[in-house]
Amino acid sequence: DSGVTQTPKHLITATGQRVTLRCSPRSGDLSVYWYQQSLDQGLQFLIQYYNGEERAKGNILERFSAQQFPDLHSELNLSSLELGDSALYFCASSVDVTGTGAFGYTFGSGTRLTVV
Amino acid sequence: AQKVTQAQTEISVVEKEDVTLDCVYETRDTTYYLFWYKQPPSGELVFLIRRNSFDEQNEISGRYSWNFQKSTSSFNFTITASQVVDSAVYFCAGGGNAGNMLTFGGGTRLMVKP
Repeated sequence: DSGVTQTPKHLITATGQRVTLRCSPRSGDLSVYWYQQSLDQGLQFLIQYYNGEERAKGNILERFSAQQFPDLHSELNLSSLELGDSALYFCASSVDVTGTGAFGYTFGSGTRLTVV
Repeated sequence: AQKVTQAQTEISVVEKEDVTLDCVYETRDTTYYLFWYKQPPSGELVFLIRRNSFDEQNEISGRYSWNFQKSTSSFNFTITASQVVDSAVYFCAGGGNAGNMLTFGGGTRLMVKP
């Protein structure tokens, strides 16, 4: 157990629908990162929050949004889902804002989203 | 901008062979950090090692060893006497103090056959 909790583990939904992925960071970590890993693709950075504020944005579609709550858990909202959104979505956390500390990122086990 | 290149997309070896996974990190930062992560078939990402740009000492941990050469921007990972359980996708990642996130390479899929 890495200490980063992602729910749900699996999600199957239809095109056009909206889903919410949840992440609880490791205790003490202030940064949360969201990554998308499509089939046979590397890790694509989506967005980072640090202590409740958005810090960096990557290749995140306008249909996707995220937030980090006062208790530091984060949610990634995906709307108007398309078949191509099917992927493994990872949440990671780090104690610092850069993620380059002693252990880098600690990853959750991911949410596998399947859009049918 | 920073760039992480893992030129080997897939490597296949027979058990007990040694294998080296290559990683090249390009950045203008003078201080930066490099990481390796392992993603086994079960899907989770497991931290293996972190190295800062000032430390060019090789590191060995059991069957794993890492060789960092700042002059060539390479941070290579060697598995000695590979085992079937080493089969996974391995990601190299890098980041600098000025950056807000780590940049990952495309990964190298290692298949160790019995």
